[in-house]
Amino acid sequence: SAVISQKPSRDICQRGTSLTIQCQVDSQVTMMFWYRQQPGQSLTLIATANQGSEATYESGFVIDKFPISRPNLTFSTLTVSNMSPEDSSIYLCSVDKGYVDYTFGSGTRLTVV
Amino acid sequence: GQQLNQSPQSMFIQEGEDVSMNCTSSSIFNTWLWYKQDPGEGPVLLIALYKAGELTSNGRLTAQFGITRKDSFLNISASIPSDVGIYFCAGQLQETSGSRLTFGEGTQLTVNP
Repeated sequence: SAVISQKPSRDICQRGTSLTIQCQVDSQVTMMFWYRQQPGQSLTLIATANQGSEATYESGFVIDKFPISRPNLTFSTLTVSNMSPEDSSIYLCSVDKGYVDYTFGSGTRLTVV
Repeated sequence: GQQLNQSPQSMFIQEGEDVSMNCTSSSIFNTWLWYKQDPGEGPVLLIALYKAGELTSNGRLTAQFGITRKDSFLNISASIPSDVGIYFCAGQLQETSGSRLTFGEGTQLTVNP
């Protein structure tokens, strides 16, 4: 399976600011995904990061709040914009190597104060 | 919204006991996956199931893809302390495009030595 490096691993941010999370994969992958895991909760898909085109967002998530870049087949970023305490969560990058072979990064634990 | 019902929500067992957890849905799934998440880490894939009726083992873990394609279970035999963590089922819905996953709410497993 793919090896995913996600940075930063954790951060504490002031409300109103933005944080960009990076996801680097050790091999080219077609499908990259960003998930949110709120405290004590399950994983919720934010968006699918598409190479060469805009990300596809799930219901309840918008590009202005969670802009995503996918400049190539091994890298993606997720920005959490204009943060509020409700954005405190773990944000996870995931890739699908094919035949539903999903791998997750170790996540970014975000605390907004 | 969440389309997978995972139970139980939590389990407290003694070392050496067997464990069983399951997921059900009113929707049909093409694929079932079982993940384990340790604190501060992303989910790690334990078992993937691709065909209705499939029974797959991975060491002390056994999982089955229900015949109706609407359910799956995970069994852990002879539990050990390192089995502690949160277990998630996940599936790829038949009616969704791409390879997006839907996650269950998780089962928190505690193993007492």
